[in-house]
Amino acid sequence: GESVGLHLPTLSVQEGDNSIINCAYSNSASDYFIWYKQESGKGPQFIIDIRSNMDKRQGQRVTVLLNKTVKHLSLQIAATQPGDSAVYFCAENIGGGKLIFGQGTELSVKP
Amino acid sequence: GAVVSQHPSRVICKSGTSVKIECRSLDFQATTMFWYRQFPKKSLMLMATSNEGSKATYEQGVEKDKFLINHASLTLSTLTVTSAHPEDSSFYICSGSADETQYFGPGTRLLVL
Repeated sequence: GESVGLHLPTLSVQEGDNSIINCAYSNSASDYFIWYKQESGKGPQFIIDIRSNMDKRQGQRVTVLLNKTVKHLSLQIAATQPGDSAVYFCAENIGGGKLIFGQGTELSVKP
Repeated sequence: GAVVSQHPSRVICKSGTSVKIECRSLDFQATTMFWYRQFPKKSLMLMATSNEGSKATYEQGVEKDKFLINHASLTLSTLTVTSAHPEDSSFYICSGSADETQYFGPGTRLLVL
């Protein structure tokens, strides 16, 4: 069936280091992917998105990479800061605006 | 832009009562809104898709008579948890769709005693 999953449920990094959060998806027909950040007790916050006709997209301190061959998505955060500590979800648009969320990765930034 | 609000942010109610949660898109019109449920340390689970002026579409396993959804305007959708029970305690999150991106509300924490 359709699923979007994450390789690592938790990730701990040192402040200033780069973070990489991974995600695998199973629906090869999906053409739109989004990364969300969720802080404790809050709703998900849009970070960056990417369409299937791209393999890389950059934002401010964040980069999303898409490898359609192996159905893999990653989020890279440069110079990770304590404020980046949160749970990060990848989401796959399966059509009709509906999203399937991955299980999430909890990022912890050590000062 | 693309701000979604929810009210209330948290609510405590007695078992057997009904609770209404409002979801508003503040600076855009959302023809489609989505309702999610999230348990602690878990991912978001889609409950239903709400389209303005029509009946909501519920995901498999979600009781439509228990979770009443109304999408009366392009900026407001409501979720009513009817005859709430302790197992309905959860974090409920709505989102509004603008183009293909979903923008999420801050969530409503429901505790049923």
